[in-house]
Amino acid sequence: ETGVTQSPTHLIKTRGQQVTLRCSSQSGHNTVSWYQQALGQGPQFIFQYYREEENGRGNFPPRFSGLQFPNYSSELNVNALELDDSALYLCASSAKGTGGGIDTQYFGPGTRLTVL
Amino acid sequence: GESVGLHLPTLSVQEGDNSIINCAYSNSASDYFIWYKQESGKGPQFIIDIRSNMDKRQGQRVTVLLNKTVKHLSLQIAATQPGDSAVYFCAELIGGTSYGKLTFGQGTILTVHP
Repeated sequence: ETGVTQSPTHLIKTRGQQVTLRCSSQSGHNTVSWYQQALGQGPQFIFQYYREEENGRGNFPPRFSGLQFPNYSSELNVNALELDDSALYLCASSAKGTGGGIDTQYFGPGTRLTVL
Repeated sequence: GESVGLHLPTLSVQEGDNSIINCAYSNSASDYFIWYKQESGKGPQFIIDIRSNMDKRQGQRVTVLLNKTVKHLSLQIAATQPGDSAVYFCAELIGGTSYGKLTFGQGTILTVHP
């Protein structure tokens, strides 16, 4: 186990609704990244949060937004849900240091979102 | 554009055999590569990583080889066990240490037969 937790495990929404997914990072980690994994594909980077600010973003529209809290936990919000948003949403935590080293990302179990 | 892909989408081996999973990448500026294992219903699990200044790195029963000349990465699993059955992804770190955007390949399904 990585120590990264996500909630809820599963979620069913209808098109046009809004959803909030939550992630608690591993102890000692200060960075959270979010990924979308469609069925049968590899995860796609959505964005990363470090020190409560967005620190990089993938090719996702603005209706995908996030937050990071002082305890380093994070939320992913998706507005105006579309059918294609159905996927496994993964968060990964890492410890970004000041020495310029590589911060290995450790993944949570994911939230399975189904949009009807 | 940037992409990380796999040569073989599926691999079937007998228990005890050695497995080799291959991956091609296109971004010559990438400086870090990682292999993840994903079992059904779970998130990706870190297996092993390698920096671009290395050619080979070994872990417990696993070895990663990096050939920067042909932009090729491989994961070798020794004495494959049924518990190794999963989807394996290679991932490329883009952005260096400024931020860690991992780019994943499609994945290889490894099936180990007892």
